[in-house]
Amino acid sequence: AQSVTQLGSHVSVSEGALVLLRCNYSSSVPPYLFWYVQYPNQGLQLLLKYTSAATLVKGINGFEAEFKKSETSFHLTKPSAHMSDAAEYFCAVSGLNKLVFGAGTILRVKS
Amino acid sequence: DAEITQSPRHKITETGRQVTLACHQTWNHNNMFWYRQDLGHGLRLIHYSYGVQDTNKGEVSDGYSVSRSNTEDLPLTLESAASSQTSVYFCASSEQLATNEQFFGPGTRLTVL
Repeated sequence: AQSVTQLGSHVSVSEGALVLLRCNYSSSVPPYLFWYVQYPNQGLQLLLKYTSAATLVKGINGFEAEFKKSETSFHLTKPSAHMSDAAEYFCAVSGLNKLVFGAGTILRVKS
Repeated sequence: DAEITQSPRHKITETGRQVTLACHQTWNHNNMFWYRQDLGHGLRLIHYSYGVQDTNKGEVSDGYSVSRSNTEDLPLTLESAASSQTSVYFCASSEQLATNEQFFGPGTRLTVL
């Protein structure tokens, strides 16, 4: 069965600092992996996805993630945080034609 | 532009009442999903459908039902609402099962008193 673990339910960074949100997955088959972002009172929006092509995936708003099979990780990064990045972020793995989501990480950006 | 809508956006009901949440998508996707979102749990799958007349149970399906009579709609029914079903509900759809990129609606906040 597929599962996702997001390390840290809350992450706080200063504006301009590196953003690193951690995601580890478990999958019995080669996974497809996703990062979604949720702004307050909105639905989820796809940031980026890994579908077995390039291991470094670039997404919207300057985010990127690297698939590391040996570490079963798919961490999300952004070189320089902006106030507008404050939101909740969800990592998800595709398995058995369904998505399995992590518990989410709330990103706070301090001015 | 294609979109996925949910109604109502907010609903307050009483324990024991039947409640139906609507989901409508204009993407013409075959696959549709219902999730609930609760603090500390992320999104948990309630029911899903791969096409007309197809419905399947997810990990938290007890007390919920769905029906799929056309491609565009997947209404979610709470047969007898319970306080434990107070949550935010999201509908999603996807075109491809393999990569399973899903598009989400704006959510319905349901309160059961």
